[in-house]
Formats: sequence, C-alpha cells, structure tokens
Amino acid sequence: AQSVAQPEDQVNVAEGNPLTVKCTYSVSGNPYLFWYVQYPNRGLQFLLKYITGDNLVKGSYGFEAEFNKSQTSFHLKKPSALVSDSALYFCAVRDRPPGSARQLTFGSGTQLTVLP
Amino acid sequence: DAGVTQSPTHLIKTRGQQVTLRCSPKSGHDTVSWYQQALGQGPQFIFQYYEEEERQRGNFPDRFSGHQFPNYSSELNVNALLLGDSALYLCASSLPTSGGNEQFFGPGTRLTVL
Repeated sequence: AQSVAQPEDQVNVAEGNPLTVKCTYSVSGNPYLFWYVQYPNRGLQFLLKYITGDNLVKGSYGFEAEFNKSQTSFHLKKPSALVSDSALYFCAVRDRPPGSARQLTFGSGTQLTVLP
Repeated sequence: DAGVTQSPTHLIKTRGQQVTLRCSPKSGHDTVSWYQQALGQGPQFIFQYYEEEERQRGNFPDRFSGHQFPNYSSELNVNALLLGDSALYLCASSLPTSGGNEQFFGPGTRLTVL
C-alpha cells in the first residue's frame, strides 16, 4: 500500500524568509511524487512532480522540492515566501508500475501561513 | 483551453436521497478520477475511469458509482445519502496514469447532506 505523511498541520513563516513543507512517503517500489496547492473553496492546483532524474525538482511560482530516496522524503521549498503563498499544501504519491495503484494517495495537508 | 469543469458548484440533499455530479475533463485528457475531500482532510480516491470503464476503485461502498461517456466526461452517482457523505467532491483528469502524468483538478462540487 502507498501512503503519505505530512507531519505538520500548520507552518508559519515570515514574508521573505525561506519556507519548507515536509512530506514523507511509503510505496512498495519507486514513487511518482507530486505537490498540489489548494486555495479556499477551490480545487487543487498542480505545483510540481518527481518522476525520475535530478533529485531537485523545480515547479510553478518559484517552488521546488527535493527527492531523498534514503529518507523517503519529498519536502517542498521556496527560497523567499510571499504572503500570497498562504494556502493548503498537499503532498501525493503514486506507486510506479508494475504496482497496481493508479490513484494518487494524498497526505492530510499542511496549512502554510506567510506573515507580512 | 478550458480546464476541468464540474457541476453543480454546490448541492444540498437530505439523507436517503440520490445525487449525480458531473465532470468534463481538460481537453485532450481521457482519464477521469474522482476524489472525496472531507473537511480538514486530504482527498480520498473514489474511482478512476478510462475508456468508459472503471479501472480502479478506492475503499468506498457500492452506493458510489460512476460512468464515463464517449466524450470522456464523467458522472459520479451516490445513492442513499448519509450525513457522512457531506464533502467536497473533486474530479481530476489526466492522460493515462500508468506514466507519471499529473492529474488536473476541477473546482469541486460541495455536497451537503442534511
């Protein structure tokens, strides 16, 4: 079975400071990993994904994430936070073939608040 | 290019009733997945449709059923509604998810069961 843990329900950071939102995962094989962001009363917006290759993945709006296979982690980062980054962030995983999973498994979400 | 669209936006039903939610995928996408997002939680996978067939199902009872049409649009049906079915229902479309293709989500349908 595949699973995702986001250990922090809430992360607060001052505007201009770097931010990190943590994610660890569990899959039977090698993972596809994703980050999504959700604004109030909205659906999820795709930020970035790790498929293969470079462990540092760059995505939308200046976000990046680092895949660490030994620690089974995929933390989301941004060098300089903006107030507009305040939102709910979800990490998601899907097992690679030949695993049978076709669906995304999401973490419980981390509420990011960037303070002006 | 329209993204994923869902209708209706909001819906209020009473226990025991039935509901149908609709989804139109992003242009060029042929795979549709449905998720339930309860308040304060991450989305939970309901099922996925490809080529008009359900190809994977999450841990949801048979009260939850779906359909995919030849134009790739999809419906989610829930029978015998329970209070616990109150949630945001999200539709996501993608190219086949056997690869690392990301899913694109619609804005969701907020279902309230009274």
